[in-house]
Formats: sequence, C-alpha cells, structure tokens
Amino acid sequence: DAGVTQSPTHLIKTRGQQVTLRCSPKSGHDTVSWYQQALGQGPQFIFQYYEEEERQRGNFPDRFSGHQFPNYSSELNVNALLLGDSALYLCASSRTGPYSGANVLTFGAGSRLTVL
Amino acid sequence: DAKTTQPPSMDCAEGRAANLPCNHSTISGNEYVYWYRQIHSQGPQYIIHGLKNNETNEMASLIITEDRKSSTLILPHATLRDTAVYYCIVRASSGTYKYIFGTGTRLKVLA
Repeated sequence: DAGVTQSPTHLIKTRGQQVTLRCSPKSGHDTVSWYQQALGQGPQFIFQYYEEEERQRGNFPDRFSGHQFPNYSSELNVNALLLGDSALYLCASSRTGPYSGANVLTFGAGSRLTVL
Repeated sequence: DAKTTQPPSMDCAEGRAANLPCNHSTISGNEYVYWYRQIHSQGPQYIIHGLKNNETNEMASLIITEDRKSSTLILPHATLRDTAVYYCIVRASSGTYKYIFGTGTRLKVLA
C-alpha cells in the first residue's frame, strides 16, 4: 500500500518565480494538509483541504494557495517566491470521519524547495 | 494556540531505554498527544498517540501524567537507527485541524 507520495522531491527556483508541488494521499484518506519546514525548525501548518475546499489556514500569506482534486490529491502553489520560502514542504494525509477521536497524520517524504 | 516544549537534545547508549519528555500544559481536555520522529529531513514518521492512559505499541511506550500536562515517550531498547528528531504534537486548540510542532528533541544513540 503506497503511502503519501509527493513530487518533485527537489527543485530550485529563482526569486519571483512560481512553483507547484503535488501530493497523492494514502489510500483511504480524504484530507490533505500542507506544512512548511525551514531548516532546523519544526513543521509549520500552511492549510488543510477537505472535500476540495480549504478547511483551515495557518499564518501564511496569500501567495500560498492550494487545490484538492476529486481523487483527493492536492497541489500547493507558491507565487512570487522569496528567499525565505526555501524549505521542505510536507504533505500529510488523514481521514475525516463522523467520529471524534485520534486523527493520525501520515506524512510524505517532502519536496525540498531552494529559492536562489 | 497550544504549545509543546521539549529538550533540544539528548544522548542515549545503544541498548538502553531512551526517555523523551514533553510538556503540553495547554492541551485541551479531549485532545490527543501524538509522537512522531524525523530522520535526515525525511517526512515525519508516526510513532504513537494517547489521550489519558498509557499506551504501548511495537515501537514505543507513551506515559501521560494524570493531569495530562506532560508525557514521556519511551524507546525501550534504543538502537543506532533510532537517532532522529522526535516531536510531540498536539492540535492548536479543540476543534482545529492545525497541529503544533515544537522544535523537537534531537536524540543521538551512541554505540
């Protein structure tokens, strides 16, 4: 059973460019969250998508946007790249259900973005 | 938002138990504590989670204090492959979908 798949694994962009990162969730999962992890820091929540809509957003500017497709896969788009956007971008999938309880996130290996 | 506090680093001898503490004094009453680890900047790997009772699985044990303000992850027989950054995470607040990672504990297992 494939887990969470992210692409590309590494990419280099220059300031002002735009980037799109892709994520396929674990089989059976319908919810995708995106996190940014700067070097030496813990991951920071960007946003979460469920039922093709942004359900919650963290403290990130509008340059960061996303999309979820009917097959639950997701994209993260970052416009007008800044040097400070250099980071590991992590996708995490989970299953939203009509129950309360633990909600374990399954993370992908990440996409490492370098902005020059 | 809730907050977690962990020591920045710890060493452990191979074969000995590694005990990693986490303070989460602001956790809501019905929120779980989750533990993950991250090796060489790969994606975080799930280890264990708990609410009130102590938990054990094939990877680790989790001890949660009665007041739920702190927890300890126990790796009973640490190996060199357990060298990683360990994060305890909680939801930012009840009902939110945002999980809070601290800066984690860098565990180094020594031969």
